[in-house]
Amino acid sequence: QKEVEQDPGPLSVPEGAIVSLNCTYSNSAFQYFMWYRQYSRKGPELLMYTYSSGNKEDGRFTAQVDKSSKYISLFIRDSQPSDSATYLCAMSGYNTNAGKSTFGDGTTLTVKP
Amino acid sequence: DVKVTQSSRYLVKRTGEKVFLECVQDMDHENMFWYRQDPGLGLRLIYFSYDVKMKEKGDIPEGYSVSREKKERFSLILESASTNQTSMYLCASRPDRVREQYFGPGTRLTVT
Repeated sequence: QKEVEQDPGPLSVPEGAIVSLNCTYSNSAFQYFMWYRQYSRKGPELLMYTYSSGNKEDGRFTAQVDKSSKYISLFIRDSQPSDSATYLCAMSGYNTNAGKSTFGDGTTLTVKP
Repeated sequence: DVKVTQSSRYLVKRTGEKVFLECVQDMDHENMFWYRQDPGLGLRLIYFSYDVKMKEKGDIPEGYSVSREKKERFSLILESASTNQTSMYLCASRPDRVREQYFGPGTRLTVT
């Protein structure tokens, strides 16, 4: 079983919809939680970063971490066609060698105009 | 802005060739990583380095080696390329003080 499981998708929504992207994990040592966005034929870029439990908001994006349930989410409000991309969750422990991250497999989102 | 560059965007090589993929970062990051990304398999860590001349195996090191002679440069070497090494290769770097990684644009390698 993988340490990090991500909702596989693909996901297709109309413009303006609220999108929820989710990951579960099994390693209770994870303390750092990240979301990356990857456009087609490009490298991933950091979107959101959260330490431990709680919510973090950045514009239309909200990252949520529930460590008791080992569950993280990324919400996108008022989704736009430019949000169409693959979203990767990633996690890291405090003492993980070189700060290695464990990545989910990604969810591909398409926002239709 | 952090910049991670990779030597080629697209590369086509023949089976048995020795292949070098170069990665350079300009932000003095201590840690560097090589991944491959395949549909349905996600990002898989090949090797990483936490200091010059230091390297550690990731999850799938077989068939690969790495070199880090200078802090800013991390090279991935395919000793004898095989068709199952056809993939997107991504380099990333990270400073010690944070956990998030900064990725390069990727090299799409095709081995025929």
